[in-house]
Amino acid sequence: GIQVEQSPPDLILQEGANSTLRCNFSDSVNNLQWFHQNPWGQLINLFYIPSGTKQNGRLSATTVATERYSLLYISSSQTTDSGVYFCAVELENSGYALNFGKGTSLLVTP
Amino acid sequence: DAGVIQSPRHEVTEMGQEVTLRCKPISGHDYLFWYRQTMMRGLELLIYFNNNVPIDDSGMPEDRFSAKMPNASFSTLKIQPSEPRDSAVYFCASSLEDTYNEQFFGPGTRLTVL
Repeated sequence: GIQVEQSPPDLILQEGANSTLRCNFSDSVNNLQWFHQNPWGQLINLFYIPSGTKQNGRLSATTVATERYSLLYISSSQTTDSGVYFCAVELENSGYALNFGKGTSLLVTP
Repeated sequence: DAGVIQSPRHEVTEMGQEVTLRCKPISGHDYLFWYRQTMMRGLELLIYFNNNVPIDDSGMPEDRFSAKMPNASFSTLKIQPSEPRDSAVYFCASSLEDTYNEQFFGPGTRLTVL
């Protein structure tokens, strides 16, 4: 089945630092989404990005579909960025379910 | 606009009891998904509906689980009888095919079965 691998599994940053999170996937996809699960457990949509590059404030994401990876960039990190970041993909020709990676757990310290 | 609404937010029950989780999707969305999150298995799809019709229920763990969508604005996930291993956070999500099926998640229901 589809494999969605995220790295690193854990990350600790000091406030103000930048980071790059990676998502590798094993098959062609129709949809790729990045989510932030905050400490209260809510899944917040960050990006819908099956290909190309998008930016939203301090966050940006790039997906290179032909090489089967996506990157999430966090710049000038803040303590409120702490939580778990999930990459989720929807396979071509297999319905609309999202297949989630195991996430990157991020802690930003003051 | 209201997002996906789930109730209850927390449920504590005893083994053997029936549990019903509820979801109201975003108005106008034509897809509805139920996911479960556990430490061991992460986030996994249970079932999804399109225009109120179940499309894929291959993720439903066993016959104790059932889901319905009687209309476009309401869905239920029922567990009967519940077991301690059903303890998890259950998320409902919805999407609109015309917007490439970007999924939006509700706040989740944290279920604890004692």
